[in-house]
Amino acid sequence: GQQLNQSPQSMFIQEGEDVSMNCTSSSIFNTWLWYKQDPGEGPVLLIALYKAGELTSNGRLTAQFGITRKDSFLNISASIPSDVGIYFCAGPLNAGGTSYGKLTFGQGTILTVHP
Amino acid sequence: GAGVSQSPSNKVTEKGKDVELRCDPISGHTALYWYRQSLGQGLEFLIYFQGNSAPDKSGLPSDRFSAERTGGSVSTLTIQRTQQEDSAVYLCASSPNLGNQPQHFGDGTRLSIL
Repeated sequence: GQQLNQSPQSMFIQEGEDVSMNCTSSSIFNTWLWYKQDPGEGPVLLIALYKAGELTSNGRLTAQFGITRKDSFLNISASIPSDVGIYFCAGPLNAGGTSYGKLTFGQGTILTVHP
Repeated sequence: GAGVSQSPSNKVTEKGKDVELRCDPISGHTALYWYRQSLGQGLEFLIYFQGNSAPDKSGLPSDRFSAERTGGSVSTLTIQRTQQEDSAVYLCASSPNLGNQPQHFGDGTRLSIL
């Protein structure tokens, strides 16, 4: 399958700080997805991106579809304790596809927020 | 509830035993997916169903793994002659169809092979 590389692997921040993480691939993707996973639960979709250059917000979260179509960024502003969790980027297993089906996931970014 | 339901939530078994994992998708969702998540890793795609059909089984790790879906609803993932490397969280997701729609995940079955 296609390889998605996420960085950083983990982040330790103070409540109120902004957070930025990214995801890169050697292949072009037509869809980028960002999920959050809390301990003991399944991933929950945060933001979906469909066009190169697209910038989409969901509350304090903003994600961008890189112009090269080989990367994506997720930013969290004014972090709060409940932002703690693992954030995954994902895209179609067939990188050039647009379907949500058969996803490939990055390794995840573990976010810890200190009150 | 109205979400994807998986059972059991935890399973501990001895090496060599067979296990069955169950997934109840959201009612009306025709597409169903199985993923495996090893400790500290991202999700690895295993297999998907459109209705009762699984067109592509190439993601299954070995021939000890099989899955079926009946009545376009419940799916079971079966692992025969379990090995320690099978220990992982097995996640199921469903979506209204295979098109460009989000997958909703269950909370997974945590499988531990002793």
